Amino acid sequence: GAGVSQSPSNKVTEKGKDVELRCDPISGHTALYWYRQSLGQGLEFLIYFQGNSAPDKSGLPSDRFSAERTGGSVSTLTIQRTQQEDSAVYLCASSPERGWETQYFGPGTRLLVL
Amino acid sequence: AQRVTQPEKLLSVFKGAPVELKCNYSYSGSPELFWYVQYSRQRLQLLLRHISRESIKGFTADLNKGETSFHLKKPFAQEEDSAMYYCALIFGNEKLTFGTGTRLTIIP
Repeated sequence: GAGVSQSPSNKVTEKGKDVELRCDPISGHTALYWYRQSLGQGLEFLIYFQGNSAPDKSGLPSDRFSAERTGGSVSTLTIQRTQQEDSAVYLCASSPERGWETQYFGPGTRLLVL
Repeated sequence: AQRVTQPEKLLSVFKGAPVELKCNYSYSGSPELFWYVQYSRQRLQLLLRHISRESIKGFTADLNKGETSFHLKKPFAQEEDSAMYYCALIFGNEKLTFGTGTRLTIIP
């Protein structure tokens, strides 16, 4: 079946604009993660959705970042008033019912804030 | 809190030489540990997990609870092993925690 998909694959925006990044997890996967991957910072956890539980937002770097997961499937990561330091690759991953199962990653969205 | 440390950001090894990518963790329980790999222009993917005790692409990783380590090893490096490697840890139904990664370069 199809793997995790993300859109857009690349996004260039101007400082101060809002952006929305989309993630389509593997069908049936209840766990969904967002990460940020940047040079020198490795893989930075942002937010974790597990089923109907309240999301773990402990990794969001500021209140400009938010994420939703509608109907337990598609997720959208929103960055408001983007800053140049937000430039990075944003990765989404999903896994089956339990968090310790293998995570399957999407191809990422490369965000460049000018 | 659980934490994963990969002390080397960059590691260069000659082809044919042994490879060891270090990973240490801090957790008092018995976590599940993973190695993920990202080859150039490819998705991040699972390389191996502790519970499977398997060897993938010649790589193995042994959990040392005394030293709280899960180092990734391969006896003879190949050029195609050049990639970014991440160690990760999970306990129970907590979220997966990644290290900061090590970029491995195999020198021909």
